[in-house]
Formats: sequence, C-alpha cells, structure tokens
Amino acid sequence: EIVLTQSPGTLSLSPGERATLSCRASQSVSSTYLAWYQQKPGQAPRLLIYSASSRATGIPDRFSGSGSGTDFTLTISRLEPDDFAVYHCQQYGYLTWTFGQGTKVEIK
Amino acid sequence: EVQLLESGGGLVQPGGSLRLSCTASGFTFSTYVMTWVRQAPGKGLEWVSGVSGSGGGTYYADSVKGRVTISRDNSKNTLFLQMNSLRAEDTAVYYCATVAGMQGHFDYWGQGTLVTVSS
Repeated sequence: EIVLTQSPGTLSLSPGERATLSCRASQSVSSTYLAWYQQKPGQAPRLLIYSASSRATGIPDRFSGSGSGTDFTLTISRLEPDDFAVYHCQQYGYLTWTFGQGTKVEIK
Repeated sequence: EVQLLESGGGLVQPGGSLRLSCTASGFTFSTYVMTWVRQAPGKGLEWVSGVSGSGGGTYYADSVKGRVTISRDNSKNTLFLQMNSLRAEDTAVYYCATVAGMQGHFDYWGQGTLVTVSS
C-alpha cells in the first residue's frame, strides 16, 4: 500500500501570504492519479486539483498543483480568508485509494 | 446538479450492525464507480470501499474487509454500505462520493452521516 505523508502538519500564515503544502508518497505515483481536496470544519471535502495539476471546476487560479513521482506540491499563491482549512492529498492505485493525514492551514 | 445524500448513521453497540445508504441524483448513477470514505473525529480521511457502476466489482480497505459489504441499486440510484461486527474504531463520519472516470479522484461528495460505536 502506498503511504502518503503530508507536511507540515500545520501551516500558520497570514492572508495574502503564499502557502506551500507537500505530499510525499512511499513509492512512485502516476501524476494522473494524484488529487488534492480542501475541507472546512463540519463540511465534506471538496475537490481542488486532480491529475496533480488540473484545477477542478470553479477552483480559482491561486490554487496550483505540481510534482511527479513521489513528491507533489499544492501551492496557494495568495491566501484569502476563505482558504484557511485542511488540505488532503490522495492517490489512486488500481481499485484502492489512500489519503495523506492532512495539512491544516491556519491564520497566524 | 449532482446531489448525494447519506443516511442510516447513528449510535450502535460494539459488535452491532448498521446499513448506510446514499441516494444520488443529478447524474447517470449507473455509469459511475461509487465509493465510501470515512473520517474519525479529529482525524484524516480514510477510503473504506468502492463499487463498479454495474455493482459486479467491489473493493475494500484492509481495515474493513470481511466486516463490510458495499452494494448498489441502480434502479433506485442508491448506494449501500452494510457494516457488521462494528468496533469503537469504526466511529466516524461516513461520506459517499463519485469516482471520476479513470483518474480515480472523487469529484462529488455527500454531506456525510455519523456512525458512533459505543456501549
């Protein structure tokens, strides 16, 4: 089973700052099968990025994804108040899926 | 508009059983792989189970294999999760979600239903 490790666990930033979130896989993951989700308290996760770098419908362009192999990154170019949330990465590996443990982006 | 509505959660004793449902609308249900994901209180997301569009293929996480059965009724646009031999560690919010084609990401999610396993 592929294990995804997200870092940092918590990121404390101010609105307007840049956020860089990491997702590292225990073995190589095809970029096609790497996604990122945003989750706010009491809400279901929302798809942000799929195939490592494609934004989902309605996602603003301040969100971007990159990476390949075992190292993937979600970048939020300029944090807005609505962006403070938990972010999860996910990989798909033939009829099985795994998530990272999540990164919380909090207001500094 | 795609909508997924889970139901069936509640309080159950250890060793007990529960059947979750997810009613779908706004898309052609039978053409989508569907999945269940859970989230224990204060924890991350954990994939639980998936089922092919026809229902003929079922997939399970090791943590629930043998205790959980996923199924679907395409005539009623409904997904099910039968959970048996429940343990305290099964306590979580359970979400159903659609799987987007071959890329495997989950593009639509329900609001979740809470399962609490406690005596």
